[in-house]
Parts: sequence; structure tokens; C-alpha cells
Amino acid sequence: EVQLVESGGGLVQPGGSLRLSCAASGFTVSSNYMSWVRQAPGKGLEWVSVIYSGGSTYYADSVKGRFTISRDNSKNTLYLQMNSLRAEDTAVYYCARVEHSSGYPYYFDYWGQGTLVTVSS
Amino acid sequence: SYVLTQPPSVSVAPGKTARITCGGNNIGSKSVHWYQQKPGQAPVLVIYYDSDRPSGIPERFSGSNSGNTATLTISRVEAGDEADYYCQVWDSSSDHRGVFGTGTKVTVL
Repeated sequence: EVQLVESGGGLVQPGGSLRLSCAASGFTVSSNYMSWVRQAPGKGLEWVSVIYSGGSTYYADSVKGRFTISRDNSKNTLYLQMNSLRAEDTAVYYCARVEHSSGYPYYFDYWGQGTLVTVSS
Repeated sequence: SYVLTQPPSVSVAPGKTARITCGGNNIGSKSVHWYQQKPGQAPVLVIYYDSDRPSGIPERFSGSNSGNTATLTISRVEAGDEADYYCQVWDSSSDHRGVFGTGTKVTVL
């Protein structure tokens, strides 16, 4: 059974840093495309970042240069390092597996339950 | 960047049909996927590749995509279908970015 479990959320001051983790089971993270998606309180879904199985990474403009997606193959875990956090980064952060074909990403087939990040002084 | 536009809300009586649109420039040339999200829960995939249904999703959920509009149709709506719905594509023309629609709240009257 595929499972994704996020952790690492919490309250952080503006300008601070936080690292989110997403522990996967039932499949191999390094063989898949993996993404982070966030949702601000009362708002819609916003794609944040993706890492391809080959290691290529891509980011939304809103987080480029501040967030870094990575993975630890030995732990089968996905990470999101978030630096220079702003109030507008406050959201529930979901990790999700991305179904892909012929090197192209398509849809998010499995999601974690999410972890809340609150940026406030 | 690529933009997907959805109506903020759709209201439908039980047993009737709800149609949720997702507008985007030449969206018919892309693969569109749809998610259902209930309060306090993670999104759930309900339609992928325009019109395919994952296992466990009722046949009442269907999708289509042509021109500048993709549509999610929910037939014989039930109270349990009340949720937010999001369309999604991948914009390879813009540095490999995921794009979600603005979201539609479906209310069952």
C-alpha cells in the first residue's frame, strides 16, 4: 500500500527556515517523480516544486531561490528545505507522487495528509 | 505562465448533473486531471488524462476536453459529492511547472 507521511511543519518567524520531510512506503521515491503542493488557509492548491527520478528539479516562481527539493534514497524520503520564509508561505504543505510517462509528468496519484507551516512573528 | 480558470461555485440539486468547467488557452492540446477535496482532507484524484477514472471512483464522474475548455461532469449528484474540485495540467512550455485551476466549490442543495 502506498503511503506518504509529511512532518516538520510548525510555527516559524519571518526570515526563518524549516525543513519538511515526506516518508514514503509502498514504492521507491528515487524511481518516481515527486512534488510538493501547498494550500494557504481558505485558498486553492498551488504547485511548489518537483523532482524527477533523474534528479532534475523545478520550482514555482514564488519559491525559486528560497526552497530546495531533495530526497534521501536510503531513507525513501522526500524533503523541502524552506529558507527566507515569508508570511505568504503560510500553508498546508502536501507531498505527492507524480505519475509520469515518457519523461513527462502528468498527475498526482498519491498524496500525503499535509503538514501546516505558519510563518508569523 | 499558463492560467486555468474555474467558476468559483456550482450549485446542484441531488440527482441532477453538475458540470464544472476549466478554461485555458488551447487546453484541448494538454492532458487535464481533476481532484476532489473535502474540508480538512488531502485532494483525491477523480479524473486523469481528460476522461479516465481511477479505480474506486464512481462512473458518475466523467470528463471531457476540447478547444479552450475542459469539463468535469458529475451525474446523479449525491450529498457526498459536495467538495472543492480542481483541474490540473503540466505546463512544459514554462519550465516544467504544475498548474492548478482556481477551484470550484460544489454545493448540493
